[in-house]
Amino acid sequence: GENVEQHPSTLSVQEGDSAVIKCTYSDSASNYFPWYKQELGKGPQLIIDIRSNVGEKKDQRIAVTLNKTAKHFSLHITETQPEDSAVYFCAASYGGANNLFFGTGTRLTVIP
Amino acid sequence: DADVTQTPRNRITKTGKRIMLECSQTKGHDRMYWYRQDPGLGLRLIYYSFDVKDINKGEISDGYSVSRQAQAKFSLSLESAIPNQTALYFCATSDLKAGNYGYTFGSGTRLTVV
Repeated sequence: GENVEQHPSTLSVQEGDSAVIKCTYSDSASNYFPWYKQELGKGPQLIIDIRSNVGEKKDQRIAVTLNKTAKHFSLHITETQPEDSAVYFCAASYGGANNLFFGTGTRLTVIP
Repeated sequence: DADVTQTPRNRITKTGKRIMLECSQTKGHDRMYWYRQDPGLGLRLIYYSFDVKDINKGEISDGYSVSRQAQAKFSLSLESAIPNQTALYFCATSDLKAGNYGYTFGSGTRLTVV
């Protein structure tokens, strides 16, 4: 099955700085790569996703890049704010199965 | 009301007891999933169901069973709970219609087995 690795496990940044979280996947057939944000006491919430036919996608302060050759994808958050503090998970799935395989999570702390 | 509702939110049970975690959804999605979250291990798939008559094992199904009572309801059972099943459990739904692959998660059930 698919194996998704995520780094770093914890990340602290000053407010206003950028944050980057990286993931690698093992199955070259994977074609869907979402990112989820989990706030304390809540379930993960989809914040952005990318398909394998696209190399980059942006939504305001967040962006995701995908390198299919290297089998890695990254989440970029610019101009970080305290409310960005949360645990972020990357995931991958393939074909029509849509069974997501998750990374181990990154706890992001934005220091005011 | 939440789109995906999990009950109970918290549960403490004793080793060897049978326990059921329930999930209901109002999104009309066909696909439902049960995940387990442990610190440092991320989210791992226990079971998934693509429709009422379709049940499939995930990565870590041993010690668990599920029931899809209706399109909107998907229950997870621990037949004989053990301490290493202490974890945060999430139900999720998805629907591939219109090419939307994203999951909607419930708020989770925190289970402690003592």
